[in-house]
Amino acid sequence: QSALTQPRSVSGSPGQSVTISCTGTSSDVGGYDFVSWYQQHPGKGPKLMIYDVTKRPSGVPDRFSGSKSGTTASLTISGLQAEDEADYHCCSYAGTSHYVFGAGTRVSVL
Amino acid sequence: EVQLVESGGGLVQPGGSLRLSCAASGFTFSSFKMHWVRQAPGQGLEWVSYISSGGESIFYGDSVKGRFTTSRDNARNSLYLQMNSLRVEDTAIYYCAREATDICNFDYWGQGALVTVSS
Repeated sequence: QSALTQPRSVSGSPGQSVTISCTGTSSDVGGYDFVSWYQQHPGKGPKLMIYDVTKRPSGVPDRFSGSKSGTTASLTISGLQAEDEADYHCCSYAGTSHYVFGAGTRVSVL
Repeated sequence: EVQLVESGGGLVQPGGSLRLSCAASGFTFSSFKMHWVRQAPGQGLEWVSYISSGGESIFYGDSVKGRFTTSRDNARNSLYLQMNSLRVEDTAIYYCAREATDICNFDYWGQGALVTVSS
């Protein structure tokens, strides 16, 4: 199972929007609506931000949104804030209780 | 409050073994699927293994299959990862994570246990 493809880094100024892509195959991202996104600050454990492609857990700001088209899922952060600077990881179900993560994307706030 | 606390990490030589534990509290452990996920230094997350709520179904990622064994003791609210034939590339922080009712929804994570494989 190959890792999902994410850009190494994206950046934006405060208040701007940034979008992180997560590309897989028809066996994972394209085959199931089970994509999740995790935020990870340096030295910390991952935090769930989006699940089931578009759903936000309680407590996650609505400036975080998810979508999917074909074999590519996306996480958009609107109204970028300083505290959003972190690593973001996507995850997809890959069938038969197997899961695959992306390599992670560093979001920088300029 | 849901808590997951890993323990058992450390330094081990290539070919050696190590057993990680994950102590769960604040929720009905026996009702939830659990996972191990690891992160090599400076790298992304890698899914390691899955175990069903009752322990009947267990699956592994290709890179650890045949070397790692996941188990759980619902009476002790604990999850385990037995790692054998360790390789340098197994060096990573190992997290235990709870999967909520939705698939691929890892809603709680531990703080991680560092495993270093080096001679």
